[in-house]
Amino acid sequence: EAAVTQSPRNKVAVTGGKVTLSCNQTNNHNNMYWYRQDTGHGLRLIHYSYGAGSTEKGDIPDGYKASRPSQENFSLILELATPSQTSVYFCASGHNTGQLYFGEGSKLTVL
Amino acid sequence: AQKVTQTQTSISVMEKTTVTMDCVYETQDSSYFLFWYKQTASGEIVFLIRQDSYKKENATVGHYSLNFQKPKSSIGLIITATQIEDSAVYFCAMREGNYAQGLTFGLGTRVSVFP
Repeated sequence: EAAVTQSPRNKVAVTGGKVTLSCNQTNNHNNMYWYRQDTGHGLRLIHYSYGAGSTEKGDIPDGYKASRPSQENFSLILELATPSQTSVYFCASGHNTGQLYFGEGSKLTVL
Repeated sequence: AQKVTQTQTSISVMEKTTVTMDCVYETQDSSYFLFWYKQTASGEIVFLIRQDSYKKENATVGHYSLNFQKPKSSIGLIITATQIEDSAVYFCAMREGNYAQGLTFGLGTRVSVFP
């Protein structure tokens, strides 16, 4: 059974629309992360969280917000989606060594 | 500047042979952790192996082992007795500083294993 699950797995959005990507983890890890993966750029950190109620900016936070309402859930929010945000997004939960456990990925296409 | 650099974009090997892939990193920290992850064709990203910087012994898990050369800031991944299922993209990653701040990843090396 998957310990980090993401939804939706695939999403097509229009430019200017709002998109919410959701992530749930059953690892009971304090830390959670959102990465995006693009050809030529690898995995880049967007936002992360130390625990419920906290969100922190990663390396590329512009155009994204995050929400951590509980230990288990961490959402990535695109208030005004743009075509440049077309990507595959990965959520992860984090062990205290820094080791990450990834979700299956969410493919977002912004038209 | 990249903090984690994988210079090999792709490697092709015959099944049952050994493949080695390189990774160099940059850090100012005296203590850090290095990881290798595998991304399969389905997109799944799975943890393979970890090296703690303060450990002199190279980590080994199954048919994965590391070649940790601290003076060279290098952490190579070695896969012995390769199988077709080892065909994937392999990412090197580093954790420095606060463990909660996530990992910095290299761009990956695509390995293709042929029968």
